[in-house]
Amino acid sequence: SQQGEEDPQALSIQEGENATMNCSYKTSINNLQWYRQNSGRGLVHLILIRSNEREKHSGRLRVTLDTSKKSSSLLITASRAADTASYFCGPLTGANNLFFGTGTRLTVIP
Amino acid sequence: EAGVTQFPSHSVIEKGQTVTLRCDPISGHDNLYWYRRVMGKEIKFLLHFVKESKQDESGMPNNRFLAERTGGTYSTLKVQPAELEDSGVYFCASSRRQGAGANVLTFGAGSRLTVL
Repeated sequence: SQQGEEDPQALSIQEGENATMNCSYKTSINNLQWYRQNSGRGLVHLILIRSNEREKHSGRLRVTLDTSKKSSSLLITASRAADTASYFCGPLTGANNLFFGTGTRLTVIP
Repeated sequence: EAGVTQFPSHSVIEKGQTVTLRCDPISGHDNLYWYRRVMGKEIKFLLHFVKESKQDESGMPNNRFLAERTGGTYSTLKVQPAELEDSGVYFCASSRRQGAGANVLTFGAGSRLTVL
């Protein structure tokens, strides 16, 4: 399978806490991207990390990539109620396709 | 720039009928993708166009599904005849092939298909 597999399937935290979700994949990648989906809407791109990068930051987001373990993690710091959504990782294959998993459903409780 | 537009937003049809979904990508985006999400399951890759050519259609479920992108602009996904298991939300996404933002997908809002 070329898809990213997100873990955990669901995560519930209090506002202000940090949220960490993980992604595993099986193929060689050019980059790995994280997307968010709010209920009833399309996915929105959050952050991209290249295969030769190990860590990347964007605002309250921190992404790590370990190509030897074929895994990535997304950390959202100081979570807000508005962060409630489903999060998906997409490994970008050599054919420039993104394959997603079932996502992590994050609930941030105010 | 305008986003990715999908039509219809919701379609309810009976088993055996035909439905055609349309996607208008962002102008200048050569890559166009179709995905499907059945409730609670993964966002499943269906196929990838580069301009008008099918780059990868390995995710298409069967020959009841036909995708086209004539002229390399908008795309259609036809399901004929529809079956109950075809129900789900069909997402279209597009991206540039080169330059800034290459291969970063912009998604449409999706077309929800309900087959009764």
